[in-house]
Amino acid sequence: AQSVTQLDSQVPVFEEAPVELRCNYSSSVSVYLFWYVQYPNQGLQLLLKYLSGSTLVKGINGFEAEFNKSQTSFHLRKPSVHISDTAEYFCAVRAQGGSEKLVFGKGTKLTVNP
Amino acid sequence: DAGVIQSPRHEVTEMGQEVTLRCKPISGHNSLFWYRQTMMRGLELLIYFNNNVPIDDSGMPEDRFSAKMPNASFSTLKIQPSEPRDSAVYFCASSSRTGVNTGELFFGEGSRLTVL
Repeated sequence: AQSVTQLDSQVPVFEEAPVELRCNYSSSVSVYLFWYVQYPNQGLQLLLKYLSGSTLVKGINGFEAEFNKSQTSFHLRKPSVHISDTAEYFCAVRAQGGSEKLVFGKGTKLTVNP
Repeated sequence: DAGVIQSPRHEVTEMGQEVTLRCKPISGHNSLFWYRQTMMRGLELLIYFNNNVPIDDSGMPEDRFSAKMPNASFSTLKIQPSEPRDSAVYFCASSSRTGVNTGELFFGEGSRLTVL
């Protein structure tokens, strides 16, 4: 089975500052990794995904993430955040092959202050 | 294209009543997922279907919960009888198998259930 740990439940930052949201996963098999974003009163939408190949993945809205297999991590980064990035961010993992079950972390609430 | 459509968006009911949540997946998607979101437990997968067939229902809390997918364009999640601890936001999501099965899910806006 797979599991995801998001180390920070809340991250406050100032506008234009860099941010890193941490994600670690556990799995006995190879995985696909995802970051989703949830704005207030909305569903989740995909930010970016790692399937294979380059370990640095770029997504929408200037976000990127780096897959580190040895550390079983998939941290999300943005060099300069905007007020509009205020949202909850979820890391998710899925085993390659077999089940389509996507397991989510508990989320990190990012608050960007002026 | 229309996204995943869920109804109702909000439901307030009393303990013991039956609740039915509805979902219309994106046309052409062949997998459908029901998730529940609470502050305490985060996002939990309740059940998922592939080609209208339930594949994994291990997350369904108990017999009070049931889900059906009678055709490729419609699914229901039913709670009978409802209890206050069922209060949550219920999300439906769908996905399709492309050349590489990426597992990207497309979520609806959710149904917020409050059981008094």
